[in-house]
Amino acid sequence: EAGVAQSPRYKIIEKRQSVAFWCNPISGHATLYWYQQILGQGPKLLIQFQNNGVVDDSQLPKDRFSAERLKGVDSTLKIQPAKLEDSAVYLCASSLDLYYGYTFGSGTRLTVV
Amino acid sequence: AQRVTQPEKLLSVFKGAPVELKCNYSYSGSPELFWYVQYSRQRLQLLLRHISRESIKGFTADLNKGETSFHLKKPFAQEEDSAMYYCALYVSGGYNKLIFGAGTRLAVHP
Repeated sequence: EAGVAQSPRYKIIEKRQSVAFWCNPISGHATLYWYQQILGQGPKLLIQFQNNGVVDDSQLPKDRFSAERLKGVDSTLKIQPAKLEDSAVYLCASSLDLYYGYTFGSGTRLTVV
Repeated sequence: AQRVTQPEKLLSVFKGAPVELKCNYSYSGSPELFWYVQYSRQRLQLLLRHISRESIKGFTADLNKGETSFHLKKPFAQEEDSAMYYCALYVSGGYNKLIFGAGTRLAVHP
């Protein structure tokens, strides 16, 4: 099966600019997750979708972060405006049944300067 | 509170030596745990899960509810085992999700 696709792989922006990340999950996986991984830390859940609905966005900084999942397939995560502390790897994952774990994408490394 | 703790940031061993990567958790429900691995320049991938009681690449992990631990073990380390290892806790009830520890870097020297 094809894996979870993410783009871009790398992005460098200045603070206060906006940026968007894209994720295409494994076909048939209803649940999609966006994680933020800051250097030296483990992945932290930002938002979780079940099909095209948000089921958990309690850790998403909603004043600057937004996410959507159109038609229950692809998803985009946006940051506007970016801050220096947003520098991290943004990971997308999908699962058919979480009981058996996630499949991760390769991530987008964001550097805010 | 739900939490996963990996106390070691770095574990350095020689090839052929035993390896134990520590993981402790805090969770009021019935715990289900996973180990994920990230090799250099590769994506994060599932190594093994507690429910399967499997051995993958020679690694095993036993859930100890009394000590709230899920340590990852391998009797003889190989250089290709060098990677970042993350312990993750499955949290259920409403919004099912994985909570990850901070990770341990395993360096296996020749």
